[in-house]
Amino acid sequence: SQTIHQWPATLVQPVGSPLSLECTVEGTSNPNLYWYRQAAGRGLQLLFYSVGIGQISSEVPQNLSASRPQDRQFILSSKKLLLSDSGFYLCAWGTGENTEAFFGQGTRLTVV
Amino acid sequence: DQQVKQNSPSLSVQEGRISILNCDYTNSMFDYFLWYKKYPAEGPTFLISISSIKDKNEDGRFTVFLNKSAKHLSLHIVPSQPGDSAVYFCAASATNFNKFYFGSGTKLNVKP
Repeated sequence: SQTIHQWPATLVQPVGSPLSLECTVEGTSNPNLYWYRQAAGRGLQLLFYSVGIGQISSEVPQNLSASRPQDRQFILSSKKLLLSDSGFYLCAWGTGENTEAFFGQGTRLTVV
Repeated sequence: DQQVKQNSPSLSVQEGRISILNCDYTNSMFDYFLWYKKYPAEGPTFLISISSIKDKNEDGRFTVFLNKSAKHLSLHIVPSQPGDSAVYFCAASATNFNKFYFGSGTKLNVKP
């Protein structure tokens, strides 16, 4: 069966510090991978998605970047965090073809 | 530009009664729609989906209705149970989009 791992679960970082959130998927090959963010009291905003290794599409201009160094690994990064980067970050995977996406447990990031 | 909208941020229903959650979309290319349930500090879990070739899909207590001409879908939960209390997100996708757009969520409270 397929599983998705996302870590850490919570993170408190100072403004200006770097960020690296990692997500890995097991039990499937060549998944579509997604990073979403849920800001406080708001919906899920798509940040990045990837349909293959090294292929990253950005949905909104922002202070973050994403990379996919391996087929089932998706990394969300920032060189210098801003206060506005605080939120609940969710990684997800899917197979496309009009099927559902499956989410990880999320990372609560607080930038102080 | 919010392509998927959930205009009711919250809904309160008595246990045993019907819960109706609504969702509207603007992009006529969307042809696949999903509902997710989310508890605090957890990732969303998939509930039910519907393709645009159908106008209804049922799974146990959950039924999703799609009205393409109105660009509207709804989730019916019958009978509602206290364990259904959560935030519900609707999402939409399209063939070859490789991504999902989410609404802002509706917080459902089912009172015992």
